[in-house]
Amino acid sequence: EAGVAQSPRYKIIEKRQSVAFWCNPISGHATLYWYQQILGQGPKLLIQFQNNGVVDDSQLPKDRFSAERLKGVDSTLKIQPAKLEDSAVYLCASRGGWGETQYFGPGTRLLVL
Amino acid sequence: DAKTTQPPSMDCAEGRAANLPCNHSTISGNEYVYWYRQIHSQGPQYIIHGLKNNETNEMASLIITEDRKSSTLILPHATLRDTAVYYCIVISTGANNLFFGTGTRLTVIP
Repeated sequence: EAGVAQSPRYKIIEKRQSVAFWCNPISGHATLYWYQQILGQGPKLLIQFQNNGVVDDSQLPKDRFSAERLKGVDSTLKIQPAKLEDSAVYLCASRGGWGETQYFGPGTRLLVL
Repeated sequence: DAKTTQPPSMDCAEGRAANLPCNHSTISGNEYVYWYRQIHSQGPQYIIHGLKNNETNEMASLIITEDRKSSTLILPHATLRDTAVYYCIVISTGANNLFFGTGTRLTVIP
């Protein structure tokens, strides 16, 4: 079974630029998550989708971050404009049914200069 | 979701068993104990989970105390590839997301 795919793996941008990350969850998984992991800390949830609807985006900085999952499969996370403090690893995870385990992708490492 | 307490770091000799403790004294009856690990530059990897019985899979064993206030993850024969940060997470069935603390940084020493 293929795992969660993410791209790109690495991205370097200057502050105030825009960036987008892509995630393809495990086939058939209805729930998709985006997490942010700052160096030295555990991952923190940004947004959760159930199919193509948002379940929880309370921790998403909506003035600069946006995410979508238009067809209930792939998802994109965008930052516009980026700030220095956005430097982090952005992790995508997916989950099958209710009560099932979350599986993570390899992450995208973002460096904002 | 109940919070967990883990030691910040541990060392283990290669080939020996690694026993990683976790305290979750405020766990409630419908909350599971999950363990993930994160090897450097990778995403978190699911290891094992349990409710109240001990569990074993090809990666590890999970021992949960009878009062469920603490648990231990056991890697029976640690290898250098097991060097990682190990996260103990308590979560109720179907809850939205995983709350990651700072975990335990396990270093397997040759």
